[in-house]
Amino acid sequence: KAGVTQTPRYLIKTRGQQVTLSCSPISGHRSVSWYQQTPGQGLQFLFEYFSETQRNKGNFPGRFSGRQFSNSRSEMNVSTLELGDSALYLCASTLDRVAHGYTFGSGTRLTVV
Amino acid sequence: AQKITQTQPGMFVQEKEAVTLDCTYDTSDQSYGLFWYKQPSSGEMIFLIYQGSYDEQNATEGRYSLNFQKARKSANLVISASQLGDSAMYFCAYIRQGGSEKLVFGKGTKLTVNP
Repeated sequence: KAGVTQTPRYLIKTRGQQVTLSCSPISGHRSVSWYQQTPGQGLQFLFEYFSETQRNKGNFPGRFSGRQFSNSRSEMNVSTLELGDSALYLCASTLDRVAHGYTFGSGTRLTVV
Repeated sequence: AQKITQTQPGMFVQEKEAVTLDCTYDTSDQSYGLFWYKQPSSGEMIFLIYQGSYDEQNATEGRYSLNFQKARKSANLVISASQLGDSAMYFCAYIRQGGSEKLVFGKGTKLTVNP
């Protein structure tokens, strides 16, 4: 079966611009989570969506937002990009049962210049 | 807040030998789970193994086993018969069950398997 698909794989943006990242979960998975990975801060939780509702949110500024569509696909948006937003953004989906584990995509590597 | 500690920034092991990657956690939760993920240089996080706090037996998945010591709050990953393809970053992650289902990750351990 198809895994979690994230697009694009790589992205270069300029400070002040905005960016939208996409995540298509495994078919049947209704929960989608987003994580930011940087060398300094490691892996940090951004937010989680379940059935089109944001169920949980991490400690990130309001420039980071997301949404989930009726087909469970999710997008995250970062507005007014800063250099510190350069990171690997990982999306994970799950059947909403912890023991099944979270399946991650390959990530989108965002570089802000 | 829960804290996950991986004290080994880097580990080296010879091919075909076993290696243990350490993970300790700090929590007052009663019901929780612990994951181990592998992240090769490609970036994808690969699920390896899961242990629930109420599981009586240590989890095993092929060459991976989890040495779960609840009283010591440790959940070490044991990789038997290391292979060159095991070279990667390894992350321990915690989740509180029945609450906000977000993974809290440790800083990771970089494992290098030498031929």
